[in-house]
Amino acid sequence: EMQLVESGGGLVQPGRSLRLSCTTSGFTFGDNAMSWVRQAPGKGLEWVGFIRSKTYGGTTDYAASVKGRFTISRDDSKSIAYLQMNSLKTEDTATYYCIRGTWGGYWGRGTLVTVSS
Amino acid sequence: DVVMTQSPLSLPVTLGQPASISCRSSQSLVHSDGSTYLHWFQQRPGQSPRRLIYKVSNRDSGVPDRFSGSGSGTDFTLKISSVEAEDVGVYYCMQGTQWLYTFGQGTKLEIK
Repeated sequence: EMQLVESGGGLVQPGRSLRLSCTTSGFTFGDNAMSWVRQAPGKGLEWVGFIRSKTYGGTTDYAASVKGRFTISRDDSKSIAYLQMNSLKTEDTATYYCIRGTWGGYWGRGTLVTVSS
Repeated sequence: DVVMTQSPLSLPVTLGQPASISCRSSQSLVHSDGSTYLHWFQQRPGQSPRRLIYKVSNRDSGVPDRFSGSGSGTDFTLKISSVEAEDVGVYYCMQGTQWLYTFGQGTKLEIK
C-alpha cells in the first residue's frame, strides 16, 4: 500500500526556519518526482514546488512566492522528500501536502505550519 | 502564469440530480507533447484532496462512473450524473501543462 506521511509542522515565529519531511513507502521513490502543495486555512490549493527524479536531473521548480526561501530536496536511499522553509512569513501559514509526481495522483494527509509571533 | 477560472463557485444540488462544473484556462493547456494536463480533484471536509480525473477525461481507479470529465484547449467540464451525499465537498481543476502549475478557486458542492 502506498503511503506518504508528512511531518515537521508546528508553530514557528516569523523569520525562522522549519523543515518538513515526507516519508514514503509502497512505491519506487527514486523513479518519481515529488511535489509540495499548500493550503492556507479555509482557502484553495497552491503549488509550492517539486523536485524531479535523478533520471531527470533531480532539478527543482518553485512558485515565485517561495523561491529563494524554500528548498526541496530528496533522499532516495530513505524514500524521503524534504521541504526546507527559511525566512518564514505569516502568509506561509498553511497545511503542506506532499504529493507523488506532478499529476496529483497520490497525496499525504498534510502537516500544518503556523507562522505567528 | 496560467489562470484557472471555475464556475460556479457554489453549487447546491438536490440528491439524485446532475451537476456540472466549468473550468476555463487563460491559455491553451495542450502541451508540446500533445497531451492536455488538466486534472480534477475532490476535497471532502477535513480530508486531503483526491484526484478524480486526470488528463481531461481519464477516471482514476475507484472513482464512481457517475463522474466524468470532458473538454479541450481552454474549456473543460466535470460532470456528476447523479449526485450522492458523499459527493459533498470542494472540487478543483488543475493545470499541469505549464509551470507554475495552478488550481482553480474551487467549487463548493452542497446538498440542497
